[in-house]
Amino acid sequence: ELKVEQNPLFLSMQEGKNYTIYCNYSTTSDRLYWYRQDPGKSLESLFVLLSNGAVKQEGRLMASLDTKARLSTLHITAAVHDLSATYFCAVAGYGGATNKLIFGTGTLLAVQP
Amino acid sequence: EADIYQTPRYLVIGTGKKITLECSQTMGHDKMYWYQQDPGMELHLIHYSYGVNSTEKGDLSSESTVSRIRTEHFPLTLESARPSHTSQYLCASSEYEIAGAVTDTQYFGPGTRLTVL
Repeated sequence: ELKVEQNPLFLSMQEGKNYTIYCNYSTTSDRLYWYRQDPGKSLESLFVLLSNGAVKQEGRLMASLDTKARLSTLHITAAVHDLSATYFCAVAGYGGATNKLIFGTGTLLAVQP
Repeated sequence: EADIYQTPRYLVIGTGKKITLECSQTMGHDKMYWYQQDPGMELHLIHYSYGVNSTEKGDLSSESTVSRIRTEHFPLTLESARPSHTSQYLCASSEYEIAGAVTDTQYFGPGTRLTVL
């Protein structure tokens, strides 16, 4: 059974600092997604990672995937207040279009001035 | 740009009422999903569909039912609402391949926040 764990669950950081959110999953997967959710809002897609070693970057966020370690990271560079949100990773079981996404517990990021 | 709509956005009703939460998408996606999410918590899949006339139950047991008669429409119905159904309900859609490239990125609607008194 596929399980997805994120850590930390809560992250308070100062503006200008760097930090990394980790997403571990328990079985082989060929697709991993990162989403952002603002308080009281829906989910917004950030990245999709499809292969080992994949790296995607958008602004101050960079996501990477290591399928051998079953690990994805979301790195935040020089955080700004606007990045405050909950970040979810989601993993699809290996094997194609019929596999569902399993979401992690989410990481609540609070960027302090 | 993802075009997926949910109505109502907010609903407060009494116990025992029948309700239908609407979800529509204009992207022609084959796959659609319903998730339940309590504030600040993870998402739980309650129903999904891979196309017209296809519906499956998700990982979280739910007393709701769904239908998929048209590609663009995936309504969720609760026959008799209870306070334990109070939650946020998120609808999403995806397409496994676009222009030959695997994606399957799920696009989410704005959600319906349901309160049952």
